[in-house]
Amino acid sequence: EVQLQQSGAELGKPGTSVKLSCKVSGYNIRNTYMHWVNQRPGKGLEWIGRIDPANGNTIYAEKFKSKATLTADTSSNTAYMQLSQLKSDDTAIYFCAMGVYYVMDAWGQGASVTVSS
Amino acid sequence: DIVMTQSPTSMSISVGDRVTMNCKASQNVGSNVDWYQQKTGQSPKLLIYKASNRYTGVPDRFTGSGSGTDFTFTISNMQAEDLAVYYCMQSNSFTFGSGTKLEIK
Repeated sequence: EVQLQQSGAELGKPGTSVKLSCKVSGYNIRNTYMHWVNQRPGKGLEWIGRIDPANGNTIYAEKFKSKATLTADTSSNTAYMQLSQLKSDDTAIYFCAMGVYYVMDAWGQGASVTVSS
Repeated sequence: DIVMTQSPTSMSISVGDRVTMNCKASQNVGSNVDWYQQKTGQSPKLLIYKASNRYTGVPDRFTGSGSGTDFTFTISNMQAEDLAVYYCMQSNSFTFGSGTKLEIK
C-alpha cells in the first residue's frame, strides 16, 4: 500500500521559513512526480509546483516561484517543500501528492502551517 | 495560466438526486481534466481522470464527460456519503476549479 506521511503542524513567525516533509512508503519516488498543493482556510485547492525526484527538475506555479522551494531525497524516499518569507497569507494546509497509476492519485494527510507573531 | 471556471458554487440536494456540475477551461485542454472529491477534514480523492475515466474502486454512479473546454461531472444517484466539495483540475499545467459544495436540502 502506498502511503504519504507528512510532517506535523508548523507555527512560523512572519519573515521566517518552514520546511515540510512528505515521506513515501510502498513506492519509489524516482518513478513519479511529487506535487504540492495548498488550501487556505475555507478556500479551494491551489497547485504550488512539482518535482521530478529522479533528477531534481522543478516546475512552479507563477505565484509560488519566489515562495516555495521543492526538493527530494531519493535515499530516504522523501519530498520536501520550504516556504520562505512567511506572511499571514501563507497560513494554510499543505498537501503533498503523487502519481502511482495516474497524476495525483495518492495524497498525504496534509500539514498545517500557521503564520503568526 | 489556464483558468478553470467551475459551477455552481454550491448545491442543495436530496439523497437519490441526480447531481451535475460543470467546469469550463479558458483554453483547450483536450481531455486532461480530472475530478476530485474532498470531504471535510480529509485529503482530496481522485474520482475521474482524463475527463471520463473512473479511477479504481470509484462507484459507477460517478461519471465525467467532455473535451476541449467544457466538462461535466455527474453523480447519478446521490448518497449521503457523497456530501463533499468536488473540484475539477486541468492536468496540462495544473489549475483547479473553485469547487462545488454539495449540501443536504
